[in-house]
Amino acid sequence: EVQLVESGGGLVQPGGSLRLSCAASGFTFSSYWMSWVRQAPGKGLEWVANIKQDGTEKFYVDSVKGRFTISRDNAKNSLYLQMNSLRAEDTAVYYCARTHITLVDYWGQGTLVTVSS
Amino acid sequence: SYVLTQPPSVSVAPGQTARITCGGNNIGSKSVHWYQQKPGQAPVVVVYEDSDRPSGIPERFSGSNSGNTATLTISRVEAGDEADYYCQVWDSSSDHFYVFGTGTKVTVL
Repeated sequence: EVQLVESGGGLVQPGGSLRLSCAASGFTFSSYWMSWVRQAPGKGLEWVANIKQDGTEKFYVDSVKGRFTISRDNAKNSLYLQMNSLRAEDTAVYYCARTHITLVDYWGQGTLVTVSS
Repeated sequence: SYVLTQPPSVSVAPGQTARITCGGNNIGSKSVHWYQQKPGQAPVVVVYEDSDRPSGIPERFSGSNSGNTATLTISRVEAGDEADYYCQVWDSSSDHFYVFGTGTKVTVL
């Protein structure tokens, strides 16, 4: 059974930093692109970033470029999102997700990030 | 960037059919996926590649895609189908590679 478990969310002040982690199990982690998708309170889904199987290619939505960094450790079956210079508009539930070509086929339960003073 | 437009809400009586549309420029040329999200839960795939269903998803869920509109159809609606539904495509020309629709709240009367 595919499992994705996020951690690291919490309350942070504007301009602060946070590192999210995602522990994957139940599949060959190193064989899949992985993504982070977020959902602001009461809003829709927004793809944030993704990373190739070997970590050599990474892509970001324009609004987080230069502030967020996605990374992975295939030996630990783990995905990460380093978030710097956080803004109020980054407040959201962040989902770790496995992607298969054009489909987001499995999602974690999410971790809430709140940016507020 | 590529935009997918959904109606904000659809209401349907139990046992009837709900149809949720997803509009996008020439969406018929893309592969469309549909997700169901219940309150406090993560999204779940209910239809992928326009009309295929993952294992475990009831046959009551079906999809179609042509021209500028994709449609998710839920037949014989049950109370447990009440949820938010999102369509999604992949668009390499957009800064949002995985583009999600605006979402539709399905209410079972």
